[in-house]
Amino acid sequence: DAGITQSPRHKVTETGTPVTLRCHQTENHRYMYWYRQDPGHGLRLIHYSYGVKDTDKGEVSDGYSVSRSKTEDFLLTLESATSSQTSVYFCAISATGGNSPLHFGNGTRLTVT
Amino acid sequence: TQLLEQSPQFLSIQEGENLTVYCNSSSVFSSLQWYRQEPGEGPVLLVTVVTGGEVKKLKRLTFQFGDARKDSSLHITAAQPGDTGLYLCAGVTGGSYIPTFGRGTSLIVHP
Repeated sequence: DAGITQSPRHKVTETGTPVTLRCHQTENHRYMYWYRQDPGHGLRLIHYSYGVKDTDKGEVSDGYSVSRSKTEDFLLTLESATSSQTSVYFCAISATGGNSPLHFGNGTRLTVT
Repeated sequence: TQLLEQSPQFLSIQEGENLTVYCNSSSVFSSLQWYRQEPGEGPVLLVTVVTGGEVKKLKRLTFQFGDARKDSSLHITAAQPGDTGLYLCAGVTGGSYIPTFGRGTSLIVHP
């Protein structure tokens, strides 16, 4: 299995608080992605990174920011959590992007009360 | 609008039955991937197809990429309870680094 770890695995937080989710990889892959998974919507891309300090928005980026200061770490921040951000968040990595396969972490279940 | 339409959304069958899951789009893809996801885990890649008309087999699973590279299908022969899970297709359009996912097909195989 690809070395990809998400933390925390579960988190409950209150509306309005900041939250940071961490994705750590040991594969030295260039591309990293954050998706959220909700019933009826499948996996939707939040942000992605194509290198250190190189990031771009996905289809559901509002309310989220990311940072990648090292190859191995990709952080997802909810500046002020809302109930609509209750979801399961998945990080994925890819060696070259495009047609190369995605390797996923086991997800972070976030509940915003 | 969803770039990739998967059907059916839900499938509940008995062990030993055959089934087909479809992934359709109006866009042309440079590649299409199929993933399987079990509860509490991330999706795991099953196969990547890149050539129009391509057929790939993985034990009892047969994957087909349409000739025009706009659609794909996954056929499972003699389904087993271990096949239970969420099946996701993901397509990459030309020049993109980003796979776009369909909404998934949730399969339950009853013993």
